[in-house]
Amino acid sequence: GENVEQHPSTLSVQEGDSAVIKCTYSDSASNYFPWYKQELGKRPQLIIDIRSNVGEKKDQRIAVTLNKTAKHFSLHITETQPEDSAVYFCAASPLRGNDMRFGAGTRLTVKP
Amino acid sequence: DVKVTQSSRYLVKRTGEKVFLECVQDMDHENMFWYRQDPGLGLRLIYFSYDVKMKEKGDIPEGYSVSREKKERFSLILESASTNQTSMYLCASSHPGELFFGEGSRLTVL
Repeated sequence: GENVEQHPSTLSVQEGDSAVIKCTYSDSASNYFPWYKQELGKRPQLIIDIRSNVGEKKDQRIAVTLNKTAKHFSLHITETQPEDSAVYFCAASPLRGNDMRFGAGTRLTVKP
Repeated sequence: DVKVTQSSRYLVKRTGEKVFLECVQDMDHENMFWYRQDPGLGLRLIYFSYDVKMKEKGDIPEGYSVSREKKERFSLILESASTNQTSMYLCASSHPGELFFGEGSRLTVL
């Protein structure tokens, strides 16, 4: 089955700096790559996703890049704010999405 | 709004007890999932289901079973709870595509 690895496990940045989280996957059949944000005590929620026919996707301060050849994808957050502090999870699955595997998570702390 | 409801937010059980965790979704989603969340280990897939009465093992199915008798309901069963099953359990559903999670069920096994 799919194996997703995520780095770093913790990340601390100053407010206004950029943050980058990287993930690799093992199964070449995976073609859907979502990112979830989990705030303390809350459920994970989708923040952005990318499909394998796209190399990059951007939504305001958040962007995701995908390199299918190298089997890695990354989350980029620019102009970080304290409310970006949370645990972020990457995931990978076939497009039908019924076999979703997650990375171990990255705890992002944005210092004011 | 998609709603995924887990019946119990907090449970405390004794070793050897049978435990049922219930999950109901109201969006007619085909796929349903059970994950276990532990610090440093992320979300690990226990079982998933892509149709009524269908189930597939995830990465850590040992000690668990599931039931999906109706499309909207997916139950996780611990036949004989053990202390190493103390964890947060998250249910999710999808169309497919985006996963919608429940609030989670924190299970403590003493």
